Amino acid sequence: GQNIDQPTEMTATEGAIVQINCTYQTSGFNGLFWYQQHAGEAPTFLSYNVLDGLEEKGRFSSFLSRSKGYSYLLLKELQMKDSASYLCAVLDSNYQLIWGAGTKLIIKP
Amino acid sequence: ETGVTQTPRHLVMGMTNKKSLKCEQHLGHNAMYWYKQSAKKPLELMFVYNFKEQTENNSVPSRFSPECPNSSHLFLHLHTLQPEDSALYLCASSQETGGAYGYTFGSGTRLTVV
Repeated sequence: GQNIDQPTEMTATEGAIVQINCTYQTSGFNGLFWYQQHAGEAPTFLSYNVLDGLEEKGRFSSFLSRSKGYSYLLLKELQMKDSASYLCAVLDSNYQLIWGAGTKLIIKP
Repeated sequence: ETGVTQTPRHLVMGMTNKKSLKCEQHLGHNAMYWYKQSAKKPLELMFVYNFKEQTENNSVPSRFSPECPNSSHLFLHLHTLQPEDSALYLCASSQETGGAYGYTFGSGTRLTVV
């Protein structure tokens, strides 16, 4: 079966750096998405990786290794507003999105 | 109004009630989706519409009935639901299906079945 694994919950300190990992086993691969979802709000698009390597967008970066079935989302200079759930999703060979259960990130002052 | 709008934001209904969820997108997208989000579980795809035609029904019980009158509007009609159907129901849209297009989500309807 298809599976996306990410930690259920993580805690970090304001101003610090945190890395949220995502591992996947899917039938084929056509890219990996990261979404951010604040409590009670819509998930919003953060990044899309289809080639290996690191993509940087301001304080957020996303890394992909297709050979390892692995991605991470790196958040730098953490702010309180970064407290949210982070969803990893993979586009499989049929272009179906397979979702992880999300990682709840708690930022402490 | 822009983006994807869902109404109502919150809904409490009895198991014998009939209600409908509404989704509207103003992005000119051709594909629309219904997802179910339960606590600590992955998003579950329920239905996919592409150019108003249903292209996927992910083994969803018949007590959930979708309707897509045009590319901008999507409804989910609910009847004789069960308590385990309580969840956040998210609508999303994308330019097309079957491609690496980002989805735009609505804020969801928090449904409680009592």
